[in-house]
Amino acid sequence: EAEVAQSPRYKITEKSQAVAFWCDPISGHATLYWYRQILGQGPELLVQFQDESVVDDSQLPKDRFSAERLKGVDSTLKIQPAELGDSAMYLCASSSTSGSFYEQYFGPGTRLTVT
Amino acid sequence: AQKVTQAQTEISVVEKEDVTLDCVYETRDTTYYLFWYKQPPSGELVFLIRRNSFDEQNEISGRYSWNFQKSTSSFNFTITASQVVDSAVYFCALSEAGTSGSRLTFGEGTQLTVNP
Repeated sequence: EAEVAQSPRYKITEKSQAVAFWCDPISGHATLYWYRQILGQGPELLVQFQDESVVDDSQLPKDRFSAERLKGVDSTLKIQPAELGDSAMYLCASSSTSGSFYEQYFGPGTRLTVT
Repeated sequence: AQKVTQAQTEISVVEKEDVTLDCVYETRDTTYYLFWYKQPPSGELVFLIRRNSFDEQNEISGRYSWNFQKSTSSFNFTITASQVVDSAVYFCALSEAGTSGSRLTFGEGTQLTVNP
C-alpha cells in the first residue's frame, strides 16, 4: 500500500539553529500539504502545494519558515532560526488532486523538539 | 471563518461499551466536506470517513457509524462494542469547497481510552 514518507521521524535542535524536514508523497499525488500539530491540539495547515506551485501559505510564518516542492514531487520544509515555540509534530499529507472532496493521506510525521 | 469544536477532551470506557464522539462545526459555505480521522499513538492520521454537505444520510461501517445533522451543525461518530484497539485520538475536520485551497480545519480532538 502506497504511503507518504517523512524524515526524520524525530529531531532535537537548539533554538536559533536551522532545521529541515522532508516529505515524499504518494506517487502520482499532485497536491501536498504541510501541517503543524502542537501537543494536545489538532493539526493546522502551514502550506499547500499543487504540483510545484503554492496554493495556500496564509498560515506559514514566512519570517522563519520556508517550503519548496521544486519538481512537484517531494518537498522540504525549513525553519531558520528555530524557536522554542516551534516544538511540535510536523505532518505531511498528499491527495490525488486539489479540492475539498479528496481525502488527504498523512505521513507518520516529524516530531521536533527545540531546546 | 470555519471552525470545528470537539467538546469532549477525553473519554474513557470499558471494552464492549458503545461510545459517541461529538463534533460541531461552523461554516458560511453551503458546500463543504466533513471528515473523521483517527490518530493512534504512532502519530499517523488515518482517514475514516468523508461526508459532503448535501448528503445527510447516516453511514455505518462495521462497528463505526456516523450521524450528520445539518440542522444542528453536528457530525457525531459512534463506536459500537468498543475494543482496546480503538484507543486513539479522534479528530473531526471540515473543508470548505469555496476556498482557493482545500485545507482541513481540525477540531482539538477527543482522546478515547478503551480499558479491558
